Amino acid sequence: KAGVTQTPRYLIKTRGQQVTLSCSPISGHRSVSWYQQTPGQGLQFLFEYFSETQRNKGNFPGRFSGRQFSNSRSEMNVSTLELGDSALYLCASSLSGRGETQYFGPGTRLLVL
Amino acid sequence: GQQLNQSPQSMFIQEGEDVSMNCTSSSIFNTWLWYKQDPGEGPVLLIALYKAGELTSNGRLTAQFGITRKDSFLNISASIPSDVGIYFCAGQPTSGGGADGLTFGKGTHLIIQP
Repeated sequence: KAGVTQTPRYLIKTRGQQVTLSCSPISGHRSVSWYQQTPGQGLQFLFEYFSETQRNKGNFPGRFSGRQFSNSRSEMNVSTLELGDSALYLCASSLSGRGETQYFGPGTRLLVL
Repeated sequence: GQQLNQSPQSMFIQEGEDVSMNCTSSSIFNTWLWYKQDPGEGPVLLIALYKAGELTSNGRLTAQFGITRKDSFLNISASIPSDVGIYFCAGQPTSGGGADGLTFGKGTHLIIQP
């Protein structure tokens, strides 16, 4: 069974631009969570989607948003990029998200200049 | 918010030595997870713990879910070069009603000296 895939793997943007990242969960998994990883803050939860609905959200500004499609694929969007948004963005999938183990993708490394 | 204190931050050991790392929390978790992350990759699940007091092994790895639900440890026996990497503990606060985001420790950077 294929694992979680994320595209693109690397991205360079400039301040003020917006970016969209994509995540395809493990086949059969319907819950997708997004995390931001930085050297200073570590791994932090952004939000979780299940059945095309955002069920849970971390403490990030509204510039960070996401959505999920009917095939469980998810996208994350960051608008008006700031230098501090440079990070590794990870998505994780699980069957239904109800206390189940989350499996991570390889991440998208975003550099904001 | 919830915080996880993971220690040590880094470990320099000789190949063949045993390794021990732990995480403590200010609040209760219903699930404890241990992940390993290699450079440029996402975290890979090593061990999942679902019950207080549970002791689980995965090859040379052993992890325990503390009785108080506020701590967990991971042991690696007879370390080998491929054990190098960053190990993260993660706690999940609830067991139902949606995927509450995982709370991660800051990681333990394991370095093995030849």
